Parts: sequence; structure tokens; C-alpha cells
Amino acid sequence: KAGVTQTPRYLIKTRGQQVTLSCSPISGHRSVSWYQQTPGQGLQFLFEYFSETQRNKGNFPGRFSGRQFSNSRSEMNVSTLELGDSALYLCASNPGHPANYGYTFGSGTRLTVV
Amino acid sequence: TQLLEQSPQFLSIQEGENLTVYCNSSSVFSSLQWYRQEPGEGPVLLVTVVTGGEVKKLKRLTFQFGDARKDSSLHITAAQPGDTGLYLCAGVNSGGSNYKLTFGKGTLLTVNP
Repeated sequence: KAGVTQTPRYLIKTRGQQVTLSCSPISGHRSVSWYQQTPGQGLQFLFEYFSETQRNKGNFPGRFSGRQFSNSRSEMNVSTLELGDSALYLCASNPGHPANYGYTFGSGTRLTVV
Repeated sequence: TQLLEQSPQFLSIQEGENLTVYCNSSSVFSSLQWYRQEPGEGPVLLVTVVTGGEVKKLKRLTFQFGDARKDSSLHITAAQPGDTGLYLCAGVNSGGSNYKLTFGKGTLLTVNP
């Protein structure tokens, strides 16, 4: 079965611009989570969507937002990009009960802000 | 804020050696997961441990969940170059619908041939 698909794989943006990243979860998985990974901070939780509703949110500024569609596909948007937003953005899907089932991650989108 | 401390942060060993990676927290988790990540890719789930004191084996990898469900360890026997990667532990919040993974910062393992 197909894994988690993230597009694009690489992205270069200029400071001040906005960006939208896409994630298609494994078929049947209703939970989609987003993480930011940087060398200094490791993986940090951005938010989680379940059945089109944001179920949980991390400690990121309001410039980071997301949404989930009825087919479980998810997008995250970052507005007014800053140099510090350069990171690997990872999407992970789960059937809905992560305590018992692990997450399946996509390969990520490498965002570089210049 | 729940934190997971992983140690060591870096580990470089020779093929055939044994090693243990530790994951510690002051918080209780409903379960703990271990992932391995290779450069340019997302983490891949290795195991989920749910019950305090649980031990799971995956070929040469042995995972243990602490009795109090606050800590875990990963032991690799006779390490091979293919084991090279970033090993991440992640705790799942206990209770409610507040689902998110809290990740440790990882242990970067290099196994030299």
C-alpha cells in the first residue's frame, strides 16, 4: 500500500513569502500530524488533524497553520517566512489511536528560506 | 511540558560491538515508540511499547519500557553498518484526546566496518 506522500520534496523561498506544503496520508488513516525538524531543536510538534478538525496544536506562532480535507489529505501553510523557518517539515499519519499504533512518516519537505 | 532526554547524543562504534541507548523522562507516557531515521528521509517506526516493564525484541534490537513508564532503552547486539542512523524515542501523551508525540533529540549512531 502507498505510504505517506509529501510534496514538494524541496523548496526555496525568500524571506517574507508564504509557502504551502501538502501531505497525503496512508489510505484509511484519519489522523495527520505535522512536525518541524531542525538540527538544534530536533522534531517539534506543529499540529494534528483528525477528521478535518485540529485536535492538538504545538507551541508555534500563528504564522503556521494547517487544514485537513474530507479525503484526509492535509496542507500546512507558513506565512511571512523567516530565515529560522528553514527546516525539514515532516508529515505523519496514523489510524487515529497513536498510543497503540505508531506513526508513518513521509520523506518530508526540505524548506530553505533565503 | 513533557521532555524526553536521550543519551548518548552521539555514538561511534565498530562493527560487532554492542550498545545501549537511553531515553528518560520525569513524565509518564501511555506508550513509547522508537524510530530510526536516515539522512533525507522521515523516521521509520521500529517498535511501540505500551506496558510498564515490557520487553520487545526485533532481531538484534531489544527494547525495554521502564516499570513506571517514564523511561526506555534500546540495546543493539553485534552492531552492523546498516544500523547506522538517528535513533529517536517518542512518548505518547497519556489520557484524553491530546494526541501528540514528544520526541527526544535523538542518538546519532555510526557503525564503522
